[in-house]
Amino acid sequence: RKEVEQDPGPFNVPEGATVAFNCTYSNSASQSFFWYRQDCRKEPKLLMSVYSSGNEDGRFTAQLNRASQYISLLIRDSKLSDSATYLCVVKLDFGNEKLTFGTGTRLTIIP
Amino acid sequence: NAGVTQTPKFQVLKTGQSMTLQCAQDMNHNSMYWYRQDPGMGLRLIYYSASEGTTDKGEVPNGYNVSRLNKREFSLRLESAAPSQTSVYFCASSEWRAGGNYGYTFGSGTRLTVV
Repeated sequence: RKEVEQDPGPFNVPEGATVAFNCTYSNSASQSFFWYRQDCRKEPKLLMSVYSSGNEDGRFTAQLNRASQYISLLIRDSKLSDSATYLCVVKLDFGNEKLTFGTGTRLTIIP
Repeated sequence: NAGVTQTPKFQVLKTGQSMTLQCAQDMNHNSMYWYRQDPGMGLRLIYYSASEGTTDKGEVPNGYNVSRLNKREFSLRLESAAPSQTSVYFCASSEWRAGGNYGYTFGSGTRLTVV
């Protein structure tokens, strides 16, 4: 089983719609969680951290469910510029800075 | 502020040739990493360095060596390139700060093709 699993998509969503991605992780000892965004042929960039209480950054909302070991990302009022691959990322423990990346979910916003 | 700089951006090698990918960061981060990214496989850790003078194997270290030359620089060497090493290589650095919005800073990548 992969440590971090995501639906690869693609998700093709009309502009203005709401879209949600889920991600599951296998190691219950995982401590920190993130969503990264990667544009085509570019490097990944941090989109947002995911906190236990859930957190929001503008049109983006991230949720964590430790009991079920999944993370979600909700994008509201989607824009053409949201088209990208979204990577679910997990950090195992406080003494180790290594991150484990999911394979990513590809999102295309359609005009 | 350059962040993480990788060179070269593109490279074509013949099977059996060697080369070194260079990475430098100017953020005074302790930790540095080399990842490879292949279609359908996601980012996989090759080697990492938690601090100057230390290096450790990641998930896919075979066929690679690394050098943490100083705090700024972390290089990746392919001694005898194989077609299976055709990939996009990313260098990254990080610094964990409690309560901070922790994340990696990635370089722009090296697209390597081995023929």
